[in-house]
Amino acid sequence: DQQVKQNSPSLSVQEGRISILNCDYTNSMFDYFLWYKKYPAEGPTFLISISSIKDKNEDGRFTVFLNKSAKHLSLHIVPSQPGDSAVYFCAASATTNTGNQFYFGTGTSLTVIP
Amino acid sequence: AAGVIQSPRHLIKEKRETATLKCYPIPRHDTVYWYQQGPGQDPQFLISFYEKMQSDKGSIPDRFSAQQFSDYHSELNMSSLELGDSALYFCASSSLGAGLMNTEAFFGQGTRLTVV
Repeated sequence: DQQVKQNSPSLSVQEGRISILNCDYTNSMFDYFLWYKKYPAEGPTFLISISSIKDKNEDGRFTVFLNKSAKHLSLHIVPSQPGDSAVYFCAASATTNTGNQFYFGTGTSLTVIP
Repeated sequence: AAGVIQSPRHLIKEKRETATLKCYPIPRHDTVYWYQQGPGQDPQFLISFYEKMQSDKGSIPDRFSAQQFSDYHSELNMSSLELGDSALYFCASSSLGAGLMNTEAFFGQGTRLTVV
């Protein structure tokens, strides 16, 4: 059963506008959330993360919002640039005594139109 | 900065053969994760190691085994390969360290395995 869900497989946004990528999760034990960006034929690259004790984390053009009560997080890219076109994976992890397992969503393919 | 190194980048094997994928984590990282991503699919967690001990196990077939060595590099051994094993295999590393702080996992570029 998918514990991390990205319900939008694709998204197209005009250059300069805001891109909003959404992610929902089911496991209330998740305490750390991450976004990864993936270009074709490359490994996912870490983008931004947020701890469950926060509701917002900002890094340049990227902001992640966390709504714990709704078990929902979103990634905002402002302004969107053509180089942002990639597949974005949402991931969540829960701390255990022996390690963390990262659970991934199915990804959202973002296309930024020049 | 040093990243996660995976080798080989590409591998072609025949059915029923054996393959070994290697992963060299970022220096001082103590945790390694293996993921399998089939065509058009999301990454599936296979197995992870923390301080050379298996820490978690996902959807890893019994034909696969893995270990983490004293230098923290990890190897994924795949035997009796099947056509369905063709996928991109990612390794990621992170550092749990002394505190149980969450930290991001850094991924390698992946090994593309093609079974023919």
